[in-house]
Amino acid sequence: DAGVIQSPRHEVTEMGQEVTLRCKPISGHNSLFWYRQTMMRGLELLIYFNNNVPIDDSGMPEDRFSAKMPNASFSTLKIQPSEPRDSAVYFCAVSPDSPLGYTFGSGTRLTVV
Amino acid sequence: GESVGLHLPTLSVQEGDNSIINCAYSNSASDYFIWYKQESGKGPQFIIDIRSNMDKRQGQRVTVLLNKTVKHLSLQIAATQPGDSAVYFCADKYSGYSTLTFGKGTMLLVSP
Repeated sequence: DAGVIQSPRHEVTEMGQEVTLRCKPISGHNSLFWYRQTMMRGLELLIYFNNNVPIDDSGMPEDRFSAKMPNASFSTLKIQPSEPRDSAVYFCAVSPDSPLGYTFGSGTRLTVV
Repeated sequence: GESVGLHLPTLSVQEGDNSIINCAYSNSASDYFIWYKQESGKGPQFIIDIRSNMDKRQGQRVTVLLNKTVKHLSLQIAATQPGDSAVYFCADKYSGYSTLTFGKGTMLLVSP
């Protein structure tokens, strides 16, 4: 997963705190995706960007979630305020401009207590 | 991909056996399908893909079969090894939309 670097790998925070997850993708991609993975719901698409522009954010659960992609090399997913039900593994993935598979990062495991 | 319920289906095999993992998809317009492997603590990794104009594609020890009539996809792993133990996801998309839809996954456990 060296092509997509996510940080932190693990995050434990208290309910109500702000959480920021980071993604540094490889070059040569056109699209960037944020997914959330839980045992109950599997992999859910939260939002995706194409050429740094948000295209579809219909998967973002609530206004507490926001995502930005200020440039082609960096994206953030922010949760404010965080809640225990936000506990999950959050993945960032990228795709070149062709119908190929995604390259996923190693994910950030978020625990909200 | 299609929901397979709250509990992850599990396939247990012996080392050396052939494994078959199945997946049903719901969008008849889907024209591209992928299988991913996810090991513990890692992100999903691409295994093999197939387009809707094909019904079979082979890789190294893996074969994907597509049956568009019943909207079914399968992944066959030959001579399964302990290192194949992971969760396997199918995913599908159609040309008019850029994102993949993932199934819930199947856990493959390989005993030595």
